[in-house]
Amino acid sequence: QKEVEQNSGPLSVPEGAIASLNCTYSDRVSQSFFWYRQYSGKSPELIMSIYSNGDKEDGRFTAQLNKASQYVSLLIRDSQPSDSATYLCAANNAGNMLTFGGGTRLMVKP
Amino acid sequence: GAVVSQHPSWVICKSGTSVKIECRSLDFQATTMFWYRQFPKQSLMLMATSNEGSKATYEQGVEKDKFLINHASLTLSTLTVTSAHPEDSSFYICSATPGGGTLTDTQYFGPGTRLTVL
Repeated sequence: QKEVEQNSGPLSVPEGAIASLNCTYSDRVSQSFFWYRQYSGKSPELIMSIYSNGDKEDGRFTAQLNKASQYVSLLIRDSQPSDSATYLCAANNAGNMLTFGGGTRLMVKP
Repeated sequence: GAVVSQHPSWVICKSGTSVKIECRSLDFQATTMFWYRQFPKQSLMLMATSNEGSKATYEQGVEKDKFLINHASLTLSTLTVTSAHPEDSSFYICSATPGGGTLTDTQYFGPGTRLTVL
């Protein structure tokens, strides 16, 4: 069974710190990976996608992919209280379907 | 770009009635749309995948006669919850993927519809 695993948290970081969110996946044929942010009571919002090994930066966010280790991470620099949310990692395995992890709840404390 | 809308945003209905939820891609044509359900404190659960002009593919355990999906155009998919019961109360979220280009596999989510069945 294709799985995407995340630590459910909560991950608590102080304001201004770097938050590191991790995700592992089981299906080696996965090609595309996505990070979504979901605030309580809202739908997921796309933060970043990553397709190649290495780092991809977008503002305060950096996604990292290591296909050999089947590992994806998301770093949030200068964390703000408004970043407090659940972060969902997803892998595209076949066609357009995504397999989601259970999400990591991030709490950024002022 | 890549905006997906849903209507209604919330609905309250009586047990036994049917509810229709619309999902629209506003600025792109969606070759595929997905319907998810999310219960409180739980992750997204894929219900079905629909491609324009063809029958939806339902995930195991999802009753296709209860959750009717129609994807009549490249910008509109509808989910009808038939004979709704209190256990169908949930947050229903659709997503859509555009056709063509390097980001064809990116799913963009609608804002969700909160259904409460009394």
